[in-house]
Amino acid sequence: NAGVTQTPKFRILKIGQSMTLQCTQDMNHNYMYWYRQDPGMGLKLIYYSVGAGITDKGEVPNGYNVSRSTTEDFPLRLELAAPSQTSVYFCASSSVQETQYFGPGTRLLVL
Amino acid sequence: GQQVMQIPQYQHVQEGEDFTTYCNSSTTLSNIQWYKQRPGGHPVFLIQLVKSGEVKKQKRLTFQFGEAKKNSSLHITATQTTDVGTYFCAAGGGSEKLVFGKGTKLTVNP
Repeated sequence: NAGVTQTPKFRILKIGQSMTLQCTQDMNHNYMYWYRQDPGMGLKLIYYSVGAGITDKGEVPNGYNVSRSTTEDFPLRLELAAPSQTSVYFCASSSVQETQYFGPGTRLLVL
Repeated sequence: GQQVMQIPQYQHVQEGEDFTTYCNSSTTLSNIQWYKQRPGGHPVFLIQLVKSGEVKKQKRLTFQFGEAKKNSSLHITATQTTDVGTYFCAAGGGSEKLVFGKGTKLTVNP
């Protein structure tokens, strides 16, 4: 099993550009999460999903959108990139309320 | 919403010294998890505590869950350079979300 995979690993965006961060898990987990981690800081929950077709906002959802059309995939969309969205983005998945498995992260720089 | 306070924010130790990080909540937790994030890496699950007063050990790491299930600690005996990283506690309150503490960044001087 590959676990949780994220693409791309690194991206530079110009202000106002849009992009989709991809996340895929092969553990058949119902729960998936998107976090952002600013330099030297903790994890902030952006959005999460408890199953295909169900998504909900986390602590910092503004400027982001998600969809969950399949159990495996949980893409995160940035529509109008802003410098404040410069961060490392982690996707995670879990089975019910158990261990969260994190992907390797996407490092995003908005200039 | 639920919050967990984690202290200290930073800890610098000499190799061989002990290290402890603490996690506190104002509400009773259903469980608590601990994660380690190496520099430049992603959080990796270490352990989950569920029972009141529970103590679990992993080699030099000792994890405790308070009797009231409102606090937890991670203690590392005789730190090594491989212990470097940020340690996060994450509280499970019965919902589908975990609430992460801000983490304790550990540096070890060889």
